[in-house]
Amino acid sequence: AQKVTQAQTEISVVEKEDVTLDCVYETRDTTYYLFWYKQPPSGELVFLIRRNSFDEQNEISGRYSWNFQKSTSSFNFTITASQVVDSAVYFCALSEPMEYGNKLVFGAGTILRVKS
Amino acid sequence: DTGVSQNPRHKITKRGQNVTFRCDPISEHNRLYWYRQTLGQGPEFLTYFQNEAQLEKSRLLSDRFSAERPKGSFSTLEIQRTEQGDSAMYLCASSLARTGGGTDTQYFGPGTRLTVL
Repeated sequence: AQKVTQAQTEISVVEKEDVTLDCVYETRDTTYYLFWYKQPPSGELVFLIRRNSFDEQNEISGRYSWNFQKSTSSFNFTITASQVVDSAVYFCALSEPMEYGNKLVFGAGTILRVKS
Repeated sequence: DTGVSQNPRHKITKRGQNVTFRCDPISEHNRLYWYRQTLGQGPEFLTYFQNEAQLEKSRLLSDRFSAERPKGSFSTLEIQRTEQGDSAMYLCASSLARTGGGTDTQYFGPGTRLTVL
């Protein structure tokens, strides 16, 4: 069965600090997809990134970067120079390929608090 | 471009009552998913539709739960004889599944928060 573990329940940082959110996953599939979503206090899940199991290139988007390492089954997310607006719950998720339904399996989430 | 919308945003009901939630997906999306999220947890999959066909249901979806997507557009989730354990946020997501494999990205609505007294 698929499983996603986000070991950090809550992280507090001061504005402008860098912060890394950890995500470890388990799957028997050779083809799978990984996602990060952000859930601000308003409650709506906001899509941030998706990555397939064949693409281990790291990705950078502005202050966000993602480090995918198949060898350790990890897909970590780093926010550089954090801002108060980054405060939210961040979820890592894993899905099967589309032909199997694509349902997402989420981790428990990491609460990020950025203080000014 | 309109996102996924859900109504109502909040629902308070008494135990034993029936409730119905509605989800309107992004217009061109052919897949629609329902998830449930309890406090401090990540969302859990309940069921999904490809057009009007309900293709999979989680074991979490007891007989008191039913979902429909009659014309392949909006969807409703009904809970009969609500119990206090049904209190949660019910999230809807939609995606565009294309042929040829790969994956589609699910876009979520704001959710309906259910409180059962």
